[in-house]
Amino acid sequence: DSGVTQTPKHLITATGQRVTLRCSPRSGDLSVYWYQQSLDQGLQFLIQYYNGEERAKGNILERFSAQQFPDLHSELNLSSLELGDSALYFCASSPLAGGNNEQFFGPGTRLTVL
Amino acid sequence: AQSVAQPEDQVNVAEGNPLTVKCTYSVSGNPYLFWYVQYPNRGLQFLLKYITGDNLVKGSYGFEAEFNKSQTSFHLKKPSALVSDSALYFCAVRDSGYALNFGKGTSLLVTP
Repeated sequence: DSGVTQTPKHLITATGQRVTLRCSPRSGDLSVYWYQQSLDQGLQFLIQYYNGEERAKGNILERFSAQQFPDLHSELNLSSLELGDSALYFCASSPLAGGNNEQFFGPGTRLTVL
Repeated sequence: AQSVAQPEDQVNVAEGNPLTVKCTYSVSGNPYLFWYVQYPNRGLQFLLKYITGDNLVKGSYGFEAEFNKSQTSFHLKKPSALVSDSALYFCAVRDSGYALNFGKGTSLLVTP
């Protein structure tokens, strides 16, 4: 158990809908990262927050957004969902913004868009 | 851009034999390299990292990795494979920001 929690574990929804994925980092970690894992794209970095502020952006679609709250938990919002958004979404955390720190991953949220 | 490549989709090895999962990297500057393992329906678990120092890095569950600057490689090794080592293995490099760029993964199958 990495100490990173994600809810829900599974999410099934329809095209055009909006969903919110939630992540709680390890105790004491200030940085949260979101990744998407799909069969065709592999593991892709989406976005990073550090202590409440956006720090880096990767291949995140404009339909997707995220935020980190004062208690350091983070939410990833996916809107106008398309079939291709079906994937496993991981949250990871680390103590600081980067440097030498490894990232600790949560169990993921499996999103299925029908 | 910092990137890694895992040339093998799958590696098969018999239990008790040594295993190697290959990774090569392409970076500007000094590489920060990582290995993660993913078991079915689980998140990624950190195995080990290379930041600087000794070229042989020891990690969790008896795994180690050898950093080779001249060959730009960071291969994952284990002297004696276990059936329970069967999983998906990812090599990653820290990018110019702080995110990790992952390889496509190598499926390791250890047979009894």
